[in-house]
Amino acid sequence: NAGVTQTPKFRVLKTGQSMTLLCAQDMNHEYMYWYRQDPGMGLRLIHYSVGEGTTAKGEVPDGYNVSRLKKQNFLLGLESAAPSQTSVYFCATRGPYEQYFGPGTRLTVT
Amino acid sequence: KNQVEQSPQSLIILEGKNCTLQCNYTVSPFSNLRWYKQDTGRGPVSLTIMTFSENTKSNGRYTATLDADTKQSSLHITASQLSDSASYICVVSYSNSGYALNFGKGTSLLVTP
Repeated sequence: NAGVTQTPKFRVLKTGQSMTLLCAQDMNHEYMYWYRQDPGMGLRLIHYSVGEGTTAKGEVPDGYNVSRLKKQNFLLGLESAAPSQTSVYFCATRGPYEQYFGPGTRLTVT
Repeated sequence: KNQVEQSPQSLIILEGKNCTLQCNYTVSPFSNLRWYKQDTGRGPVSLTIMTFSENTKSNGRYTATLDADTKQSSLHITASQLSDSASYICVVSYSNSGYALNFGKGTSLLVTP
C-alpha cells in the first residue's frame, strides 16, 4: 500500500517549457487535490477533483491545468512554465477522516 | 487574506522540554481543525483532528486543544525529542465545503540536544 505517490520528485524547467506532474493513489479515494507550497506561505490549493472525470479550480489555478481520467491518477500540467511557478507541489487525497499527502515535487523554473 | 494565524513562527527548545504552539483562526462557519506535522522534504502528516464539539485530543506526546468560542487552538508537545523537529501546520476546514482547507503558515520547531 503505497498511499499517495508523486512523480517526478525534482524537476528543473526553462521558462516556456511544459511538463506534467503525476499523482497516483491506491486508497480508492474520490477526492484528490493539488497544492503548492512556497516559503513563508501556507499551502494553497491549485485544483481539485471530486471524482473521475471531474475537476475544479482552487485558490491559485492560473497557469495550470489538470485531468482526472482515471480515479487513481490526478495530473497537473504546466503549459508554459514561468519562474513564479517555482515551488514545491503536493498532491493529496481525502479519506473519511483526513487528507493524505504525497511526498512532494520540487519544481524550479529558470 | 490568511484566516489562520500561527505563533510563534519558529521555536528552538532543548530535548526533553515541553512546548506549546498556538493557532488563531477567523474561518467561519467552522467544521474542524487539524494539526499536521511536516518533516523537511516530506508531505504533511496528520496529528489530530477536532470538530466543533471537541476541546482536546491527544496523539501520544501531542495534545491539541480547541476553544471554538475564542477560535483558538494549541498543540502541546510533551518531553520533546529530536525527531519532533519539523514544521507544525494548523488547518481549518469550512463547513459545507467539499474541498476547502485553510492552511496556516506553520511553526518551525527545532529540538536541540
